[in-house]
Amino acid sequence: SQELEQSPQSLIVQEGKNLTINCTSSKTLYGLYWYKQKYGEGLIFLMMLQKGGEEKSHEKITAKLDEKKQQSSLHITASQPSHAGIYLCGADLEYGNKLVFGAGTILRVKS
Amino acid sequence: GAVVSQHPSWVICKSGTSVKIECRSLDFQATTMFWYRQFPKQSLMLMATSNEGSKATYEQGVEKDKFLINHASLTLSTLTVTSAHPEDSSFYICSARWTGGNTEAFFGQGTRLTVV
Repeated sequence: SQELEQSPQSLIVQEGKNLTINCTSSKTLYGLYWYKQKYGEGLIFLMMLQKGGEEKSHEKITAKLDEKKQQSSLHITASQPSHAGIYLCGADLEYGNKLVFGAGTILRVKS
Repeated sequence: GAVVSQHPSWVICKSGTSVKIECRSLDFQATTMFWYRQFPKQSLMLMATSNEGSKATYEQGVEKDKFLINHASLTLSTLTVTSAHPEDSSFYICSARWTGGNTEAFFGQGTRLTVV
């Protein structure tokens, strides 16, 4: 969706390195969701952010939503090969009416 | 998390025939279901949003007569690709959420459609 800009498009990192993926919109995000996908499979839910300034962590993955609720970042600490995949940010741009996605970030982790 | 089952996982059909894809929420009631299409190495493109008991809302550029969506119950939505053509070949994914919005959506496994 052009309503959600996701960057970078692809990323190759050495195992153990940190990385950040960004998701930006010109509109207010009512709900921001991060998913992971292996190509040709369904999406695995990672985290949901709703409040401005909110931050959540799970294992080595941290997601943040800025105060204006227009930008989110996903940070992976000490990346591992298991982190490889496609990361997608999704958002509700209108309350409950539609859930759109950014272009996705393809992550490769080199051992 | 909640489970959404999509069936079939892959299907091959002849050009001109119709194909039905089912999306079921197994352990929760889905008031809203979304249907997406995904091209190779691209993101999910929202096709339509359906709410139980009402007509689906299609995104601009998606032919409603081509892609028939039915959400007759709180646990089942179907997407029927009518008179399929090779250009309809794609990966189709459904998702479901249990309220009108702002809760996580759970995704099916996807259906790979190949039209020959």
